[in-house]
Amino acid sequence: DQQVKQNSPSLSVQEGRISILNCDYTNSMFDYFLWYKKYPAEGPTFLISISSIKDKNEDGRFTVFLNKSAKHLSLHIVPSQPGDSAVYFCAASLREGGKLIFGQGTELSVKP
Amino acid sequence: EAQVTQNPRYLITVTGKKLTVTCSQNMNHEYMSWYRQDPGLGLRQIYYSMNVEVTDKGDVPEGYKVSRKEKRNFPLILESPSPNQTSLYFCASSLFPQGRFGNSPLHFGNGTRLTVT
Repeated sequence: DQQVKQNSPSLSVQEGRISILNCDYTNSMFDYFLWYKKYPAEGPTFLISISSIKDKNEDGRFTVFLNKSAKHLSLHIVPSQPGDSAVYFCAASLREGGKLIFGQGTELSVKP
Repeated sequence: EAQVTQNPRYLITVTGKKLTVTCSQNMNHEYMSWYRQDPGLGLRQIYYSMNVEVTDKGDVPEGYKVSRKEKRNFPLILESPSPNQTSLYFCASSLFPQGRFGNSPLHFGNGTRLTVT
């Protein structure tokens, strides 16, 4: 039972354009959502997060949108750069913390 | 340098031979966790620890043990490894559990690639 789903295994985008990565979840009790980026042969690194009381959080080129009614979040990268090429994982946690559920990941390729 | 250190980076072993993957963090973090990454399945949580002597099961704990005797160390123990435990393992730590006190991002180690034949 995959509670956090990233239905697109891969995404290819031209440099300078917008990248949109999507994530769906099933548990309405999730309280906090995060995005992590992973390069080959390295551990994931934190990118951006959003609390369930918000619907948008922005950090430079990265914006996360949360649609609670649709149980959907998305990560927008504008403009996309070749260095953004990586695997992106979304993750969700419950209010009490502890368990952190990750999606399957989406591999983003930004072409020069 | 603030970091999470896992050892070894690569390990090949045989079925049934007990092994331990070590994990150490130097950031005085309360929360630590183990994940395994498998193709098409993403990162799945094995065990986590909210603090010293406090551990709990994640989503895939079968076949694994952990201990948290000191704040900085959180070893993962496979008492009798089997081929279905062949995977890429990550240890991670954060100041607090995610969401409990707002943003407390996980810091990950560089991974341990385990092969069980």
